[in-house]
Amino acid sequence: EPEVTQTPSHQVTQMGQEVILRCVPISNHLYFYWYRQILGQKVEFLVSFYNNEISEKSEIFDDQFSVERPDGSNFTLKIRSTKLEDSAMYFCASATGDGNTIYFGEGSWLTVV
Amino acid sequence: EDQVTQSPEALRLQEGESSSLNCSYTVSGLRGLFWYRQDPGKGPEFLFTLYSAGEEKEKERLKATLTKKESFLHITAPKPEDSATYLCAVRISNSGYALNFGKGTSLLVTP
Repeated sequence: EPEVTQTPSHQVTQMGQEVILRCVPISNHLYFYWYRQILGQKVEFLVSFYNNEISEKSEIFDDQFSVERPDGSNFTLKIRSTKLEDSAMYFCASATGDGNTIYFGEGSWLTVV
Repeated sequence: EDQVTQSPEALRLQEGESSSLNCSYTVSGLRGLFWYRQDPGKGPEFLFTLYSAGEEKEKERLKATLTKKESFLHITAPKPEDSATYLCAVRISNSGYALNFGKGTSLLVTP
């Protein structure tokens, strides 16, 4: 069964450093997402990406964050100047063109120290 | 304001003891209600999408139903491997198909 893959599975970074989280969405999907889940809290929407541009973003997704689809397969989330409160599990997801089925990856656990 | 409320927060069942999880929502013009299963430290695993009141979908021991204000996830004769957190989410727009999640129901099924 096709799946969304994410790397790294776990990253520890110093406060103020830049982090890039990588994702390979399911190949025939058209929508791509990043969500995050702080430990013990609910899954929160960050951004959706369609047709090579951001289609929607939440209040969390401020200038510290950016997304890119550098080639036909990868989808990345960059966090500039990380803060302690950025520590969370970050999930990539992808969906078919009608958005009826949204599949999540296993997540990248980010720890900012 | 929370758009998605799940209850109970936690549920403990004996193996074989059927029950239901509830997800109530307050969005107007529902564009899809999603159920996911999440194991500890893992990503949400897609289960169902429901769109209109009266709709039902089944997968193994799970059946999801939808009314105008809430959805139920019925678990029939659960097994220990059904232990997980079950997440409900509603689609909050048509532009990017973003989902708004509830806090989940943590289910423990004991032998």
